[in-house]
Amino acid sequence: EAGVAQSPRYKIIEKRQSVAFWCNPISGHATLYWYQQILGQGPKLLIQFQNNGVVDDSQLPKDRFSAERLKGVDSTLKIQPAKLEDSAVYLCASSLRAVATNEKLFFGSGTQLSVL
Amino acid sequence: GEDVEQSLFLSVREGDSSVINCTYTDSSSTYLYWYKQEPGAGLQLLTYIFSNMDMKQDQRLTVLLNKKDKHLSLRIADTQTGDSAIYFCAESKNSGAGSYQLTFGKGTKLSVIP
Repeated sequence: EAGVAQSPRYKIIEKRQSVAFWCNPISGHATLYWYQQILGQGPKLLIQFQNNGVVDDSQLPKDRFSAERLKGVDSTLKIQPAKLEDSAVYLCASSLRAVATNEKLFFGSGTQLSVL
Repeated sequence: GEDVEQSLFLSVREGDSSVINCTYTDSSSTYLYWYKQEPGAGLQLLTYIFSNMDMKQDQRLTVLLNKKDKHLSLRIADTQTGDSAIYFCAESKNSGAGSYQLTFGKGTKLSVIP
């Protein structure tokens, strides 16, 4: 089966610019996650969708970050305007259901963002 | 302090056993996980253990859970060069928003010396 697809693979922007990342989860997976992984750290959850609804966005910096999953399939994460500290790998993951049980998360390869 | 703590580096010789340790804070975590991340790739689930278990074995992997001490370990038998990667411990926590989320440690970089 096809895995979680993310694009672009790399992005370099200057601070105060805008950037968008795209994710296409595994077909049939209801739950989609965006994680931020800063160099040397573990992934931190930004937002979790169940179908097209937001389940948890408590750690999303809403003044500059936004995400949508309009049709309950693919998703876009946007940063506007970007700051230097946003430099990180942005990982998308999906699971068949929410991770309340031993639900397996499948991760994409991520988008590496460098903000100069 | 951090919710999930791991040592940052481990170096072993090929053929030896590797033991990666992790401590977590939430005693109500239902599942604990080990993920592997190779360079330039996303995370891959290696194994998990339910909180009412003490041990789980899966081929070369053995997970030990000490719930009293909130300590989790991953043992890799007969470590191979292909096992070189970053290993993340994660706990499943109720986020309080009607969902569960994974909280990851900072990862342990395993280097296997041929």
